[in-house]
Amino acid sequence: GAVVSQHPSWVICKSGTSVKIECRSLDFQATTMFWYRQFPKQSLMLMATSNEGSKATYEQGVEKDKFLINHASLTLSTLTVTSAHPEDSSFYICSAHPIGGSDNEQFFGPGTRLTVL
Amino acid sequence: AQTVTQSQPEMSVQEAETVTLSCTYDTSENNYYLFWYKQPPSRQMILVIRQEAYKQQNATENRFSVNFQKAAKSFSLKISDSQLGDTAMYFCAFMNAGGTSYGKLTFGQGTILTVHP
Repeated sequence: GAVVSQHPSWVICKSGTSVKIECRSLDFQATTMFWYRQFPKQSLMLMATSNEGSKATYEQGVEKDKFLINHASLTLSTLTVTSAHPEDSSFYICSAHPIGGSDNEQFFGPGTRLTVL
Repeated sequence: AQTVTQSQPEMSVQEAETVTLSCTYDTSENNYYLFWYKQPPSRQMILVIRQEAYKQQNATENRFSVNFQKAAKSFSLKISDSQLGDTAMYFCAFMNAGGTSYGKLTFGQGTILTVHP
């Protein structure tokens, strides 16, 4: 089956530092990946759509300068949380839509837990 | 904008019994997809079942089935013969079939399901 990995699975950083999270499709290519944020026992909220070779599109209310997204290849998208603060602590999940897959198909990564001290 | 509502924050069921999780949604679109995802304690999102809005027949996947009422904008999930491994948070989700929001998932608040032995 289609597998999506995320690295790291968890990270702790100091306030003011930047953290990069990777999302990789391991056995398929994806021109489109999605980044979600999930607070404990809450729903997933779409942050942005990552498009290979072009700029990401951000959902309303998401600061594009704070959450930098780069989709440099057909198998890798990265989310960089810049100048992280404690309120950025959350669970970040990516998903990928495979090239040639059905319209509604996407596969989720296992998530990355970010804790900002 | 689409909204998805799950009105049951928590549900519990005895092993081997049947449970139904509720979901309603609001949209002005005619073509869309609906999903139920399972998120166990590992937090990996797992697709349980999907439904295309243009199909009148309710989707089924082994012990999982849906009751899709398009006019009422209702999409409930029935789990038969509940198993301990079904214990998880369940999310109902909506995806537009086209347009600028293509591929984006809108999730409900989630329902925590506990299966008791």
